[in-house]
Amino acid sequence: GQQVMQIPQYQHVQEGEDFTTYCNSSTTLSNIQWYKQRPGGHPVFLIQLVKSGEVKKQKRLTFQFGEAKKNSSLHITATQTTDVGTYFCAGGLRGNQFYFGTGTSLTVIP
Amino acid sequence: SQTIHQWPATLVQPVGSPLSLECTVEGTSNPNLYWYRQAAGRGLQLLFYSVGIGQISSEVPQNLSASRPQDRQFILSSKKLLLSDSGFYLCAWRPRNLAGYTFGSGTRLTVV
Repeated sequence: GQQVMQIPQYQHVQEGEDFTTYCNSSTTLSNIQWYKQRPGGHPVFLIQLVKSGEVKKQKRLTFQFGEAKKNSSLHITATQTTDVGTYFCAGGLRGNQFYFGTGTSLTVIP
Repeated sequence: SQTIHQWPATLVQPVGSPLSLECTVEGTSNPNLYWYRQAAGRGLQLLFYSVGIGQISSEVPQNLSASRPQDRQFILSSKKLLLSDSGFYLCAWRPRNLAGYTFGSGTRLTVV
């Protein structure tokens, strides 16, 4: 069954507004990765978080890994039309495997 | 630098026909290789992964099979396609140091 859940499924924001997507696992993760998939494209790796409570930033994107290593979030400040796409988390579970979340589709209204 | 090639980009096949999708990786050796399917919508479902030549693990029972005849070649096959096999198929590789996946450009398969 689904081991990594992601919310919301869809998000529409006005350009300039902030956006957050959340990733939750029922089990403790070894690490977590985030990907962005532009419409019609393939997922592209953004970042990996490994440590409990870790926070990383990439320009307007802030990634956080929960203290219990069961949840993570991606926050985009002041969205732009170039941020449009689907954002996936991928939780590292047993062994060498990652399980992808269901994704959050972001639409930015100019 | 490493690159991943996947072809074809789009494919329309009749029900009952065979399938062969090929993926090759350049610029690395002994990669972990993966096949994912993304149904209309968004989720990524892991179909197969391989940690070496001839080593295939399947995540879900299905109408598809995979083979790894060479270190940097991964093939997804079916003997007889079903309508439910339609989707966006993505090949990916990942280095042994557990860094992120690199995906190919994908194949959009429509079974009619």
